[in-house]
Amino acid sequence: DTGVSQNPRHKITKRGQNVTFRCDPISEHNRLYWYRQTLGQGPEFLTYFQNEAQLEKSRLLSDRFSAERPKGSFSTLEIQRTEQGDSAMYLCATLRDGNTIYFGEGSWLTVV
Amino acid sequence: KQEVTQIPAALSVPEGENLVLNCSFTDSAIYNLQWFRQDPGKGLTSLLLIQSSQREQTSGRLNASLDKSSGRSTLYIAASQPGDSATYLCAVRTGANNLFFGTGTRLTVIP
Repeated sequence: DTGVSQNPRHKITKRGQNVTFRCDPISEHNRLYWYRQTLGQGPEFLTYFQNEAQLEKSRLLSDRFSAERPKGSFSTLEIQRTEQGDSAMYLCATLRDGNTIYFGEGSWLTVV
Repeated sequence: KQEVTQIPAALSVPEGENLVLNCSFTDSAIYNLQWFRQDPGKGLTSLLLIQSSQREQTSGRLNASLDKSSGRSTLYIAASQPGDSATYLCAVRTGANNLFFGTGTRLTVIP
């Protein structure tokens, strides 16, 4: 158990619809990351939070993507007007002990 | 930009064999390096973390080494088992914020 829960685990949506993923880490994990992974590739960094502050965003995070972490606890990643190219696994991760990064089980998105 | 390469992309070995997975990175100014295991359709499980000042870390049948100056790391798996079959990813952390991942080595251990 990595202490990072993600929901939903799988989401199938029609192109143009909005989707939201949620990440629930153990409360003492101050730093939270979002990554995207496509088949056969390693995860790619999207954004990260230190408590409730979003401190860095990748250029992969287009204006259709928005992430929040109200109160520095759970986080949400919303994708608006989904496109087929958004199909991927979205991974949430947290930093523990200042060094090791732990990932959740991921949320699979399929855009049809 | 940091680039991470893993060789081979896929590896198939008979059960009981020892094996080595390779990871190389282009920028030696790293904070640490982490090896992960990923089962199909699942998230990443952390295996070992090596700080930039360390040379190796061991956990059970796994041993990871780091040569920062040459930009290389290896993951050694002793006495492989079918349950070791998975994709192994290495990732380098370049500062406070980001992990750069390789594309992984897909390992199959044949019973």
